[in-house]
Amino acid sequence: KAGVTQTPRYLIKTRGQQVTLSCSPISGHRSVSWYQQTPGQGLQFLFEYFSETQRNKGNFPGRFSGRQFSNSRSEMNVSTLELGDSALYLCASSMNWMTNTEAFFGQGTRLTVV
Amino acid sequence: AQKITQTQPGMFVQEKEAVTLDCTYDTSDPSYGLFWYKQPSSGEMIFLIYQGSYDQQNATEGRYSLNFQKARKSANLVISASQLGDSAMYFCAMRVGGGSQGNLIFGKGTKLSVKP
Repeated sequence: KAGVTQTPRYLIKTRGQQVTLSCSPISGHRSVSWYQQTPGQGLQFLFEYFSETQRNKGNFPGRFSGRQFSNSRSEMNVSTLELGDSALYLCASSMNWMTNTEAFFGQGTRLTVV
Repeated sequence: AQKITQTQPGMFVQEKEAVTLDCTYDTSDPSYGLFWYKQPSSGEMIFLIYQGSYDQQNATEGRYSLNFQKARKSANLVISASQLGDSAMYFCAMRVGGGSQGNLIFGKGTKLSVKP
């Protein structure tokens, strides 16, 4: 059974640009959530999707957005990139958005903004 | 407020010895789940073990066990027979159920170094 797949693994972007990251969950999992990890702030929740609907959102500006497709794959988009957006972006896959028993992560996308 | 606290920024352990990584949590919701993840330098978050708030027994997964003390609100991870490959960051996380939140709340992590 394939795990959670995130693409690309690494990205370098310039301030002001926008970026799209992709996450394919484990087969059969319908919930995808996104996290940002930085040395200063640690792991912070961005948003969570289930059945193509955003169920929960963290405390991030509107420049951060996401969506989920009918096959449960999810994308997150960051517009007007800032230096502080440099981080490891991780996505987690669960069977159900309220399931308490599992959350498996992908390898992450390391974004560098220059 | 819901919160996870890991008070040990770094830990050292001798190879083949056991080590305990501390985690305390705070929530008023009676239904919650507690997770431990390992993050090597490659960045991937590797799921280790899960404990539900209603589980009567402490969770175990191979060399990993979770010392769940509900009254103290602690969920310490015990790694037995440490191996060099156990050197990594370890994160404790909580997910609260019964409401609209499905997200994980993470602690700051503990960096474990295993010495040969």
